[in-house]
Amino acid sequence: DAKTTQPNSMESNEEEPVHLPCNHSTISGTDYIHWYRQLPSQGPEYVIHGLTSNVNNRMASLAIAEDRKSSTLILHRATLRDAAVYYCIPTGGTSYGKLTFGQGTILTVHP
Amino acid sequence: GAVVSQHPSWVICKSGTSVKIECRSLDFQATTMFWYRQFPKQSLMLMATSNEGSKATYEQGVEKDKFLINHASLTLSTLTVTSAHPEDSSFYICSARLRVNYGYTFGSGTRLTVV
Repeated sequence: DAKTTQPNSMESNEEEPVHLPCNHSTISGTDYIHWYRQLPSQGPEYVIHGLTSNVNNRMASLAIAEDRKSSTLILHRATLRDAAVYYCIPTGGTSYGKLTFGQGTILTVHP
Repeated sequence: GAVVSQHPSWVICKSGTSVKIECRSLDFQATTMFWYRQFPKQSLMLMATSNEGSKATYEQGVEKDKFLINHASLTLSTLTVTSAHPEDSSFYICSARLRVNYGYTFGSGTRLTVV
């Protein structure tokens, strides 16, 4: 499984953009990059995923580096409800679709 | 779409008893489901891959005789914690996805407390 490196924690102010980085230098060529978030005492929630090109959905944008060794999750306008642990997970390919969770990034959003 | 329902949301049981947790895909069929366990202030740890109509695949270090997984239909997988002990107290979460290369949907989790 590809190893990932994410900051332990990040802080943001409400209504400001947030850029959550993730390094996955050992990613395989067929792995998709998935992002999930988890609120306390809840199951994780899917945020976004992509393979090579940048992706957008109603929740966030995903910017993938050209060499695919890193990616950035972008929350365009953080709200208090975005405060969660964010996990970046390369999967598919050699991991056969299994999700291996790292420690993630704890995002704190200040009002 | 792609809703996963998990039941119960919490359970308290006595040491030595067994507990069954259900995971249902409500609006899609899931040939594969995944079971995770999460201890306080830790990340999710994959326990096993549940395959419809065949045996589950357990991750290294997970006792298959203790954590029985049954995936008898395309919409239901169950995890039974047998002879539960206090150290089995944890947050158990299941997941599935609509199709290959889609995102995963997770259940809301089951908080198991063994007393």
